[in-house]
Amino acid sequence: QQKVQQSPESLIVPEGGMASLNCTSSDRNVDYFWWYRQHSGKSPKMLMSIFSNGEKEEGRFTVHLNKASLHTSLHIRDSQPSDSALYLCAGDTNTGKLTFGDGTVLTVKP
Amino acid sequence: EAAVTQSPRNKVAVTGGKVTLSCNQTNNHNNMYWYRQDTGHGLRLIHYSYGAGSTEKGDIPDGYKASRPSQENFSLILELATPSQTSVYFCASGDARGALAEQFFGPGTRLTVL
Repeated sequence: QQKVQQSPESLIVPEGGMASLNCTSSDRNVDYFWWYRQHSGKSPKMLMSIFSNGEKEEGRFTVHLNKASLHTSLHIRDSQPSDSALYLCAGDTNTGKLTFGDGTVLTVKP
Repeated sequence: EAAVTQSPRNKVAVTGGKVTLSCNQTNNHNNMYWYRQDTGHGLRLIHYSYGAGSTEKGDIPDGYKASRPSQENFSLILELATPSQTSVYFCASGDARGALAEQFFGPGTRLTVL
């Protein structure tokens, strides 16, 4: 059974700072990684996806993927208090099923 | 945007009772999923479905059944609820696989089993 490990468990960054979140899968069949964001008391919403080696940028958010090590990272620059949330990483083996990690709780301090 | 609704939003049940959680999606997605999320943790897949009439076991199916009577509806059934099933349950829908496999989540159902 695929396992997805996320680190750190929690992270505090100052407003305007850079947040870096990590995720690694133990399943070599993973082809896609998804990042979801879940604000407190809300449902998860897809933030970004990546399936090719390299980097993908959307606004203040950048995702990196190293397929050889099955490691992905999410970087948030110019962090805002509204970015405070649980960030979930999920691995996808192209079956329509996602395996989620336990997430990283990001707190952005004003 | 994808629309997934769940009912009830909150439920208190007694140990040994039967609980049915309902999910409806209006996007004509083929795939639907039931997850549970315990405090401070990620999502764990209970059951999923690739279309009407089909259900598949996820990673933690014990103690749960699922029913997909139509494209739009997917139910999660706890025949004999136990306190360990106290959790927040999310339904999701999606289509295709791979790069198009984004899942859209409902608002969640908070279930407390006393």
